[in-house]
Amino acid sequence: AQSVTQLDSQVPVFEEAPVELRCNYSSSVSVYLFWYVQYPNQGLQLLLKYLSGSTLVESINGFEAEFNKSQTSFHLRKPSVHISDTAEYFCAVRETSGSRLTFGEGTQLTVNP
Amino acid sequence: NAGVTQTPKFQVLKTGQSMTLQCAQDMNHEYMSWYRQDPGMGLRLIHYSVGAGITDQGEVPNGYNVSRSTTEDFPLRLLSAAPSQTSVYFCASSYSGTFGTEAFFGQGTRLTVV
Repeated sequence: AQSVTQLDSQVPVFEEAPVELRCNYSSSVSVYLFWYVQYPNQGLQLLLKYLSGSTLVESINGFEAEFNKSQTSFHLRKPSVHISDTAEYFCAVRETSGSRLTFGEGTQLTVNP
Repeated sequence: NAGVTQTPKFQVLKTGQSMTLQCAQDMNHEYMSWYRQDPGMGLRLIHYSVGAGITDQGEVPNGYNVSRSTTEDFPLRLLSAAPSQTSVYFCASSYSGTFGTEAFFGQGTRLTVV
């Protein structure tokens, strides 16, 4: 069985400040890791994913996440946030041999002017 | 390309009523699933299907039924609605196994049971 823990339920930051959203996972087998973003009253969209290879993955809008196998973490970072980054962010894990996604509890990122 | 389409977007039910939430995808994905989203609890898996004619229970299946007669459709039925089923429901689809790992989500159905 796999599980995901997002360590912060809410993260308020000011515009142009850096941010880190923390995610830890537990699994006895190899996994793929994902970050999804949910804007208000919308469905979930894939932000970035780690499948294999380089442990640092990037999104098109400036977010990055680093897979750390020894610490079983996949933290999401952005060096300078915008008001438009305000959303809920979900970390998810999937076994490499399966299809079932397991989600964390979500982190509400609020960017203030 | 419509992706994953859920209907209705909003629904209010009285306790004890039944209804079906519709989900359709046009990407020929084998794997489809239903989640419910509640504040502070993330998304919890209700039921899933790995192909037409095959369904299985997820984390919170009680009070819900599913069927998968075609690759495209995966309806979720509430048998006798209860206030505890007030939630936002999301349908998702993806390819199975290691090929194409991204899950695509519908826009959600906001259900209120009074």
